[in-house]
Amino acid sequence: EVQLLESGGGLVQPGGSLRLSCAASGFTVNTNAMLWVRQAPGKGLEWVSAIGGTNDNTYYADSVRGRFTISRDNSRNTLYLQMSSLRVEDTAVYYCAKDRRYWYLDIWGRGTLVTVSS
Amino acid sequence: EIVLTQSPATLSLSPGDRATLSCRASQSVSSYLAWYQQKAGQAPRLLIYDASNRATGIPARFSGSGSGTDFTLTISSLEPEDFAVYYCQQRVNWPLTFGGGTKVEI
Repeated sequence: EVQLLESGGGLVQPGGSLRLSCAASGFTVNTNAMLWVRQAPGKGLEWVSAIGGTNDNTYYADSVRGRFTISRDNSRNTLYLQMSSLRVEDTAVYYCAKDRRYWYLDIWGRGTLVTVSS
Repeated sequence: EIVLTQSPATLSLSPGDRATLSCRASQSVSSYLAWYQQKAGQAPRLLIYDASNRATGIPARFSGSGSGTDFTLTISSLEPEDFAVYYCQQRVNWPLTFGGGTKVEI
């Protein structure tokens, strides 16, 4: 069964760092484009970052560029999102998702909550 | 950035009704538009891609249409499990963007 499971969320102070992980099963992360999408409490969906499937091209929303880094570990079949210089407005549930092809998201994890607060 | 505007914000209907949801893009996205369903406390689920293609396992009562800047998601006869929030998403340009959502409520 194709599945994604996020972990690493939690409470962090403004200016702090956190690394989210997304463990994949049923497929390999290194042959599929992968994405992170977040959802602030009570709000809509916001795309955060993406990494290409056949290459390692990376893409970022302006709101996180320079602060967040997407990467993957093929040996662990895991996607990561390294987040630094966190802001209160980064508070959200973070979902990882698999690209169906051409940047449509066909498999989603359950999400992990990141709370940035002092 | 391409802005997607969904209307209405809330749609109040009954089981068996037909639901028509709209998504309008600030510039042409050709047919590169998807629809997602999100139930409370759950992750989104891909329903439609490339404006009119149903994703794997999606019932035939869900259909999508449109091209350019105007798109429609139609649910032909609402089932109790269809009451949820629906989002559109474009993939023609970076950044990928989502609409603000339409809540379909009983």
